[in-house]
Amino acid sequence: QSALTQPASVSGSPGQSITISCTGTSSDIGSFNLVSWYQLYPGRAPKLIISEVTERPSGISNRFSGSKFDNTASLTISGLRAEDEADYYCCSYAGSTNFVVFGGGTKLTVL
Amino acid sequence: QVQLEESGPGLVKPPETLSLTCSVSGGSIRNYYWSWIRQSPGKGLQWIGYIYYSGITYSNPSLKSRVTISVDTSKNHFSLRLSSVTAADTAVYYCARGPRAGAGSFDSWGRGTLVTVSS
Repeated sequence: QSALTQPASVSGSPGQSITISCTGTSSDIGSFNLVSWYQLYPGRAPKLIISEVTERPSGISNRFSGSKFDNTASLTISGLRAEDEADYYCCSYAGSTNFVVFGGGTKLTVL
Repeated sequence: QVQLEESGPGLVKPPETLSLTCSVSGGSIRNYYWSWIRQSPGKGLQWIGYIYYSGITYSNPSLKSRVTISVDTSKNHFSLRLSSVTAADTAVYYCARGPRAGAGSFDSWGRGTLVTVSS
């Protein structure tokens, strides 16, 4: 069981927007603005797409955006493209003991 | 652009020790934190531990007693040893740069290597 809860799957049509939620607790997401999101394709190196809740690393499309409210973080992908079909994972700093926790991952299907 | 590549045996027998190395190219291993992260079949990602280039380490409390992470700055690589493995340790093991100070994120990853624990 992962520390952070994500929906197992989401889907959307090309051009639409989707949002993936990531629910934690007051010990992780709720206490720190240190949520990051990763995009995973089979056989490829995972890619950081959002850090510190809302920051996009250089080279990441502005179609990807992040937010947070209370103990829940969200990743929104707008203008869906077929190439966005991948697995997405959230991650949060969780204090000096547990340090970092991940979500269980969400499979995005572009219909 | 820094690149990371994991290497090591793909099959380990229980209760032996799993050993992996992450080679870093395109940049120095100095002045960064470096981590190991794994993904068990059908499960999410799990952070295993990190090492700073100076040798300071910290591991996931759930694995801490079995984890050893080391660094060799002369070879620009770092390594993971996980002792007393069981089938539950079967996973794709990733190395990554991070956590980035003040951000907690991992900004470069290797492609991962599958390690199967089986007799």
